[in-house]
Amino acid sequence: QVQLVQSGAEVKKPGASVKVSCKASGYTFTSYGISWVRQAPGQGLEWMGWISANNGNTNYAQKLQGRVTMTTDTSTSTAYMELRSLRSDDTAVYYCARIIAAAGTQWFDPWGQGTLVTVSS
Amino acid sequence: QSVLTQPPSVSGAPGQRVTISCTGSSSNIGAGYDVHWYQQLPGTAPKLLIYVNSNRPSGVPDRFSGSKSGTSASLAITGLQAEDEADYYCQSYDSSLSAYVVFGGGTKLTVL
Repeated sequence: QVQLVQSGAEVKKPGASVKVSCKASGYTFTSYGISWVRQAPGQGLEWMGWISANNGNTNYAQKLQGRVTMTTDTSTSTAYMELRSLRSDDTAVYYCARIIAAAGTQWFDPWGQGTLVTVSS
Repeated sequence: QSVLTQPPSVSGAPGQRVTISCTGSSSNIGAGYDVHWYQQLPGTAPKLLIYVNSNRPSGVPDRFSGSKSGTSASLAITGLQAEDEADYYCQSYDSSLSAYVVFGGGTKLTVL
């Protein structure tokens, strides 16, 4: 079955960087893009950006431009999200999700289990 | 402040029907972009519930239905069950520069 498995929880100090992985299985990795979405404690979902697993093209949310980098390793069917210069308000559960795109729209299915990133001094 | 506006909470008794609204603007839903819905059970990742306004993935009960009109969309749940208690999010595109994909703020459904 299609599955996305993410790396484990991280605790980082302010100013540090974090890199979260998302390993895909059950489908042809390069046929779909991957989006990253985060959820601060008790809050809603925030789209961070997406990456094409086919050609590596990316599109990042404006508020994260310059701090986030999304990459893929097609040899291991793994997507990565790196966030730099971490602040306390980056504390959140980070999700990867497979993008289903059709006729000018896209939705996410399935989602990874989530990775809690805690930023604290 | 989310680009798409949802009521923070709705509630209903078992067996009843509830609806959750998702209100956007001329730069997202009103521009013709499709709406998708996700269900997030407590402590779990979101799960796709409705895609392209009104389509259910296989395995989603037909108690769940979606619709879209103008600058808004709605999710309806009939025959409410205790297991439906969850957070529900709508998602669409936005043509503004600040975001490409936008979510609603989420609605907490309580089954009384």
